[in-house]
Amino acid sequence: GAVVSQHPSRVICKSGTSVKIECRSLDFQATTMFWYRQFPKQSLMLMATSNEGSKATYEQGVEKDKFLINHASLTLSTLTVTSAHPEDSSFYICSARDPRSAGNIQYFGAGTRLSVL
Amino acid sequence: QKEVEQNSGPLSVPEGAIASLNCTYSDRGSQSFFWYRQYSGKSPELIMSIYSNGDKEDGRFTAQLNKASQYVSLLIRDSQPSDSATYLCAVNWDDSSASKIIFGSGTRLSIRP
Repeated sequence: GAVVSQHPSRVICKSGTSVKIECRSLDFQATTMFWYRQFPKQSLMLMATSNEGSKATYEQGVEKDKFLINHASLTLSTLTVTSAHPEDSSFYICSARDPRSAGNIQYFGAGTRLSVL
Repeated sequence: QKEVEQNSGPLSVPEGAIASLNCTYSDRGSQSFFWYRQYSGKSPELIMSIYSNGDKEDGRFTAQLNKASQYVSLLIRDSQPSDSATYLCAVNWDDSSASKIIFGSGTRLSIRP
């Protein structure tokens, strides 16, 4: 399958700081990427759809000023958690849609575990 | 409201047996269906995709799709301890503004030696 790289894999930060997470599609160009959050023993929750060259589409209940998404190129989307607080601690996972696939297959990055102290 | 429903489990299956995972979805217009496997603390990895009614086989895995019943399943033959994971059913959903995948809550599978 296609390769999606996510960095960093783990972040520990102090409350009030901002954290940037990068998601790269390594062997294909992705006009659409997705950002998910997953709390322990719960399913993936879609936060937003990242569209190259345009504004991200946020799911209901997700604060766009809190979770800034930038998709400036066809291979890179970033998620910035601004002024992080302990309740933002979670597993953040990106995915990229492979345009070469027949059915809009999404491939996932390895995830970023964020711990806010 | 577009929904994908799965039994949360845990589903316990003896090693060597067939594990059967089921999923129903609400959007009759969906055309693409996926099964992902997620190990604890890891991100999901794609196991199977299926787009047409019937069965699709890949090694020990068989996906089954019945669009009339809005039902998709995954069979794992000769279950191994390494198959113990959470299996996520995912369904593509298109509306006027976006195309995205809706995930079920996952079924936790445990293969007992």
